[in-house]
Amino acid sequence: EAQVTQNPRYLITVTGKKLTVTCSQNMNHEYMSWYRQDPGLGLRQIYYSMNVEVTDKGDVPEGYKVSRKEKRNFPLILESPSPNQTSLYFCASSFRDTSYEQYFGPGTRLTVT
Amino acid sequence: AQRVTQPEKLLSVFKGAPVELKCNYSYSGSPELFWYVQYSRQRLQLLLRHISRESIKGFTADLNKGETSFHLKKPFAQEEDSAMYYCALVAETSGSRLTFGEGTQLTVNP
Repeated sequence: EAQVTQNPRYLITVTGKKLTVTCSQNMNHEYMSWYRQDPGLGLRQIYYSMNVEVTDKGDVPEGYKVSRKEKRNFPLILESPSPNQTSLYFCASSFRDTSYEQYFGPGTRLTVT
Repeated sequence: AQRVTQPEKLLSVFKGAPVELKCNYSYSGSPELFWYVQYSRQRLQLLLRHISRESIKGFTADLNKGETSFHLKKPFAQEEDSAMYYCALVAETSGSRLTFGEGTQLTVNP
């Protein structure tokens, strides 16, 4: 089954404790992206990757890191999480052509206390 | 930079009534526009895209370049249409980057 998976689905952590949210897709997509979803703000892009070893900042990259060592994986790293990073995070992937549908993961709900 | 605006955060209609979810964008080039939908406890999924000019689940959307709008319409709303709807844009120079609007929560009452 073609899908985008994220782990964990739910995470409660404390300020400053490094964490990684994994994202994996099995559709051989070149493009992968991370978004955060906040009430009243919609989805805002954090980072994206056009292909292996090619990553770039989105609209709200501060406090986040990413890597793209393999085509299928695109982990999101919070080196020192803060309460303002409490949010619902979505990973997405697609082929590079702009007209292709982006496939979204199920979301990771992160709470930073 | 491109921007997408959905002026209505909440929209409530009765079953069988027409529904229109508004979307306006600002972008100087030729954008690709999409509507994504998120049903309760489900992941975000594509509803329709303007280049395919298709009707999905009875919804249609027409790109109006003069008014820079891409409103989503359905003549007769159903209860199962209740969901969060996001309008999104891809700029021709941004690769596959989606810029989303703030979203509209549609509730269809029985």
